[in-house]
Amino acid sequence: SQQGEEDPQALSIQEGENATMNCSYKTSINNLQWYRQNSGRGLVHLILIRSNEREKHSGRLRVTLDTSKKSSSLLITASRAADTASYFCATDAKRSNDYKLSFGAGTTVTVRA
Amino acid sequence: KAGVTQTPRYLIKTRGQQVTLSCSPISGHRSVSWYQQTPGQGLQFLFEYFSETQRNKGNFPGRFSGRQFSNSRSEMNVSTLELGDSALYLCASSALDSQNTEAFFGQGTRLTVV
Repeated sequence: SQQGEEDPQALSIQEGENATMNCSYKTSINNLQWYRQNSGRGLVHLILIRSNEREKHSGRLRVTLDTSKKSSSLLITASRAADTASYFCATDAKRSNDYKLSFGAGTTVTVRA
Repeated sequence: KAGVTQTPRYLIKTRGQQVTLSCSPISGHRSVSWYQQTPGQGLQFLFEYFSETQRNKGNFPGRFSGRQFSNSRSEMNVSTLELGDSALYLCASSALDSQNTEAFFGQGTRLTVV
């Protein structure tokens, strides 16, 4: 079963608009990561936020983490056509000897020119 | 620095055959993880290796196996292929483990079983 679940499943926006997607997870985590995937290719790491952090920025990306609600959000500001991709959150499980990431189903973002 | 290299990129196999996929991690990375991605099941964790030892394994049948060599290169093998094994297989490497540092993914091997 997947640890993280993204919402919405799909998002279509106009170039220049902001895109927000959410991720909910089930168990306690050490950190949460966001990845991007362009049409069935490999995943590209976007940002990692640790469980003791609440917000993190990287360029046009803003990630928040609410461990009390077991949720995270990814905001892409001033979207571009090149942001069209699927976005996944990935979590670990706060257990020892559990060296894996669990991915959500992803949010497919389409940015219209 | 070269990225994660997966070979081959595409593969077509017949049911019942076996297949071996290869992954060369980023130089210096000792952790290699494998994932299966399908439209229906999404990204599913297969296993993770660190310094030639399998540290964790996902919920896949024993037909799926892997190994890691002393140079950190990894292979995964699927025996007695089934149609449902058709998927994109992704390999990721990280310096320590993918929990605590970012994982770098290869472009994947797209396996089609006919």
